[in-house]
Amino acid sequence: DTAVSQTPKYLVTQMGNDKSIKCEQNLGHDTMYWYKQDSKKFLKIMFSYNNKELIINETVPNRFSPKSPDKAHLNLHINSLELGDSAVYFCASSQGVGTGGNTIYFGEGSWLTVV
Amino acid sequence: RKEVEQDPGPFNVPEGATVAFNCTYSNSASQSFFWYRQDCRKEPKLLMSVYSSGNEDGRFTAQLNRASQYISLLIRDSKLSDSATYLCVVKATDSWGKLQFGAGTQVVVTP
Repeated sequence: DTAVSQTPKYLVTQMGNDKSIKCEQNLGHDTMYWYKQDSKKFLKIMFSYNNKELIINETVPNRFSPKSPDKAHLNLHINSLELGDSAVYFCASSQGVGTGGNTIYFGEGSWLTVV
Repeated sequence: RKEVEQDPGPFNVPEGATVAFNCTYSNSASQSFFWYRQDCRKEPKLLMSVYSSGNEDGRFTAQLNRASQYISLLIRDSKLSDSATYLCVVKATDSWGKLQFGAGTQVVVTP
């Protein structure tokens, strides 16, 4: 059973399109994240939700909009895609936030290519 | 200056040898430290947490030096399966679980 699953795994789309990536976790965690890994391999957090409440919202263009319908799901919608949005987007989850060594579990990633 | 810096490598290591590499962090308030492993085209996975007194997990040893603000990872008796990118991860106390990832150190173990 995949603990954190995200779809689609690969997405090739044209500039200007709108696309969504879906994520689900079956670990019973209360916190979910979206990370972006660019071509330089840096993993940067974009958003985090704790019990469906947005708690981290990094400096991300407002073309990116997360939505958490429940604790087990966190989707990412991207409007007006640009070439620079090409990256790997990882969904992740953990139990709890803040201090402490709460392990973060990542999904397999969604490879987005904007052409 | 990046918050978490790593030597990108690659570190080419003969099978059975020992390899060690460091990671420096800029935020002195950082409290939690981890090493994650990322295989090519895969997701990162937790390798081990790093404790103040240093800790071992099998062939892997992690150390923390707060004074100099760096952590290290040592791999003994390297296996071919250790080939991966090792990500240094730092969490500050004043964040909602926000982790800062380094860009990773690539290790290539050769037969």
